[in-house]
Amino acid sequence: EPEVTQTPSHQVTQMGQEVILRCVPISNHLYFYWYRQILGQKVEFLVSFYNNEISEKSEIFDDQFSVERPDGSNFTLKIRSTKLEDSAMYFCASTTSTHGYTFGSGTRLTVV
Amino acid sequence: AQSVSQHNHHVILSEAASLELGCNYSYGGTVNLFWYVQYPGQHLQLLLKYFSGDPLVKGIKGFEAEFIKSKFSFNLRKPSVQWSDTAEYFCAVKGSSNTGKLIFGQGTTLQVKP
Repeated sequence: EPEVTQTPSHQVTQMGQEVILRCVPISNHLYFYWYRQILGQKVEFLVSFYNNEISEKSEIFDDQFSVERPDGSNFTLKIRSTKLEDSAMYFCASTTSTHGYTFGSGTRLTVV
Repeated sequence: AQSVSQHNHHVILSEAASLELGCNYSYGGTVNLFWYVQYPGQHLQLLLKYFSGDPLVKGIKGFEAEFIKSKFSFNLRKPSVQWSDTAEYFCAVKGSSNTGKLIFGQGTTLQVKP
């Protein structure tokens, strides 16, 4: 069964540093998403991406965040200057317009 | 704004007990509804989904859910739980946004005692 692949599985970074979280969505999917889950809290929507542009973003997704699909297969989330409160599990997901979402295994980001 | 509410935050059951986890959503239009499970240390896995048709949906691992439009509910059920069902369960809705984003409930932690 096709999978969404995320790397790395765990990233530790110092406050103020830039991080890039990587995702390889399922190849024939058209819609791509990032969600995050702070420890003990619910899964929150960050951003959706379709046709090479952001289609919707949440209030969490401020100027410190950006997404790219640089080469037609990878889908990256960049946090420019990490804060302690960015520590969370970040999930990538992809879907076609009619089928269920497939989530990746997540990247656990720890900001110290 | 759309929201999803899961009433039970932490449920403890013995093996073979029956399970029902509540989920209510706030949106009057057409919705797609999902239940995801997250086993300890793992990613979200789809248990079942409702798009249209029969409001009683059967999913994997013996789970089912019933969509009751008049009650804005999509409760998850399993007749007999196993220790391996210990996990966190999330209800989610895809509704008015044409971008397809999911709105998740707060999650319910299920602990099954052997």
